[in-house]
Amino acid sequence: GAVVSQHPSWVICKSGTSVKIECRSLDFQATTMFWYRQFPKKSLMLMATSNEGSKATYEQGVEKDKFLINHASLTLSTLTVTSAHPEDSSFYICSASKGRNEQYFGPGTRLTVT
Amino acid sequence: GENVEQHPSTLSVQEGDSAVIKCTYSDSASNYFPWYKQELGKRPQLIIDIRSNVGEKKDQRIAVTLNKTAKHFSLHITETQPEDSAVYFCAASPNVLNAGGTSYGKLTFGQGTILTVHP
Repeated sequence: GAVVSQHPSWVICKSGTSVKIECRSLDFQATTMFWYRQFPKKSLMLMATSNEGSKATYEQGVEKDKFLINHASLTLSTLTVTSAHPEDSSFYICSASKGRNEQYFGPGTRLTVT
Repeated sequence: GENVEQHPSTLSVQEGDSAVIKCTYSDSASNYFPWYKQELGKRPQLIIDIRSNVGEKKDQRIAVTLNKTAKHFSLHITETQPEDSAVYFCAASPNVLNAGGTSYGKLTFGQGTILTVHP
């Protein structure tokens, strides 16, 4: 199997606060993890790619100081949205790869910033 | 980088009809082409994929075709059922090397197709 979990599944936070989202590969070691953002009725947009023990690679236009990514182990990556604003409200989805092209997606986290 | 175009954006069919969704890609280095089904508020589910060394792949009612020369690939769903209603995304993936020399597949998604199957 290739199961990926995400926590929390939904979160509401106040503007200006930070929120952390965890992504775990439960039954395999992930060489690479990915973070996507999805607005309503839109496609998945890759935010960044992370490998265990190294700095994340951010896509063009994604602020690395606002979206902090830590890939502490081969089974855990975290995304921290710092100083959140209402425009950061979105559906955040992670995925994990065993080393080939296939990516296994987490269930997503719905973030609402009030 | 890779650019993936997907058409149509919406598709409405009667139960039992076939549905076809088409995608084009720009990067000739792409070698992996998955299709995902996503229901509202859920994760994308891989329904079928194809690699660049294969021209066609079929799994029961679902098939995918790939034309590398033209850089396009298509999803075919036959005998559609109401439960096939969802958003479908195509994606293309070349292999990429990060700064540390690790190779990984980077997915670029199409814009999505809202498929509605009427009973």
